[in-house]
Amino acid sequence: NAGVMQNPRHLVRRRGQEARLRCSPMKGHSHVYWYRQLPEEGLKFMVYLQKENIIDESGMPKERFSAEFPKEGPSILRIQQVVRGDSAAYFCASSPELRYSETQYFGPGTRLLVL
Amino acid sequence: KQEVTQIPAALSVPEGENLVLNCSFTDSAIYNLQWFRQDPGKGLTSLLLIQSSQREQTSGRLNASLDKSSGRSTLYIAASQPGDSATYLCAVTSGSNYQLIWGAGTKLIIKP
Repeated sequence: NAGVMQNPRHLVRRRGQEARLRCSPMKGHSHVYWYRQLPEEGLKFMVYLQKENIIDESGMPKERFSAEFPKEGPSILRIQQVVRGDSAAYFCASSPELRYSETQYFGPGTRLLVL
Repeated sequence: KQEVTQIPAALSVPEGENLVLNCSFTDSAIYNLQWFRQDPGKGLTSLLLIQSSQREQTSGRLNASLDKSSGRSTLYIAASQPGDSATYLCAVTSGSNYQLIWGAGTKLIIKP
C-alpha cells in the first residue's frame, strides 16, 4: 500500500504565476488535509476535504488559494498569482475515516519557492 | 483558540544523554496528542500518539506523557544518538474535523 504521494516535490514559480500542488491519498482514504509550513515555523492547518466536498477551509487565505478533491484523481491545492510570502512547504495528509483515534498519514511535502 | 507551544526551540546535547522535550497547549479539550519527527527537507514521521484518556505511550527509547488537565506533554528520549538529530513537532487533535494544531518544534542536535 503506497503512502501519501505528493508532487511535485519542489516547485519554483515567479511572482504572479500559478502553482498547482497535487496530493494522492493512501488507497482507501477519503479524507484529505492540507497544511502549510512557513520557514522556521510549525505547520498550520489550511483545509479539510472529503471526496468532492470542502468541509473546512477556515485556514485558507481568502484570496488566491483554492482546493479540490474530485471524485477521481488527486486533491489539488491551487495558488494563483503567487507572491514571495507563499514560499513554504505544503504537506498533505490523509486518513481513512473521520476518527480522532486515527493518525493522519503525511506525504513528503511540496516545497514551493517563489522568486 | 487552541495554541501549542514547544520549549526549548533548540537543544544540543552530547550523545548518550537522556533528554526531555516539552509541549504545552492552552485548551484541554483535545482528542489526542502526537509527537512527530521531521528531518531537514523531509516529510513527517509520526512517533507516538497519546489518546486523551491515556497518560503515556512508549516506543523503544521514546516515552511520551500527557497531562491533559495541565495542558502539558513531554517527550523523553533515552540514551540519545546522533541519528536522533531532527526537529520534533508536537500536535494536538481538536475541533470538529480533527485537524491538527501544531507547535513550532524543537530542533534537536545530538553531538557525537
